[in-house]
Amino acid sequence: DAGVTQSPTHLIKTRGQHVTLRCSPISGHKSVSWYQQVLGQGPQFIFQYYEKEERGRGNFPDRFSARQFPNYSSELNVNALLLGDSALYLCASSLDGTGTYEQYFGPGTRLTVT
Amino acid sequence: RKEVEQDPGPFNVPEGATVAFNCTYSNSASQSFFWYRQDCRKEPKLLMSVYSSGNEDGRFTAQLNRASQYISLLIRDSKLSDSATYLCVVKAGNMLTFGGGTRLMVKP
Repeated sequence: DAGVTQSPTHLIKTRGQHVTLRCSPISGHKSVSWYQQVLGQGPQFIFQYYEKEERGRGNFPDRFSARQFPNYSSELNVNALLLGDSALYLCASSLDGTGTYEQYFGPGTRLTVT
Repeated sequence: RKEVEQDPGPFNVPEGATVAFNCTYSNSASQSFFWYRQDCRKEPKLLMSVYSSGNEDGRFTAQLNRASQYISLLIRDSKLSDSATYLCVVKAGNMLTFGGGTRLMVKP
């Protein structure tokens, strides 16, 4: 079975642009979480979605938004990119949104903002 | 103060050595505790859960002290393949909070 997949693998954007990152969870998983990992730091929670609804939000500005589709895949959108948004963006899926089950991480999208 | 704090290292140890990592957390409502392993430029992967009674998985032993809000990981008989960053993770509700990670380098 395929694991969590993310696209694109790498991305280079300019300050002020917007970006859309995509995630497909493991088949059968209904919850998707997004994390930002800046170089040298641990991942930071951005959002959790379950059954297409936002179930949790980390301490990120409104420039960050996300959504989940009926097939449980998800998109993370970031507007008005800043240099500080350069990071590895990780998507994790789990069976449900209760926190009972393990989260499995995808390989991430490495975003560079110049 | 960070919610989950770890010594960033690096810890440079020879093969066969025993090494210990520590972690403290500030949210007393944290319900579950984990150690994740992250190889360079890869995604984090669950190494083991951590229980109050302490638990062991082969060469790895994890301990939790809820009163002190302290978590530890002990690696015995280090292998070259253990070289990675070890992330301490706490969960409250459905949100994972990661520490900054401790880098381990095992040398021949």
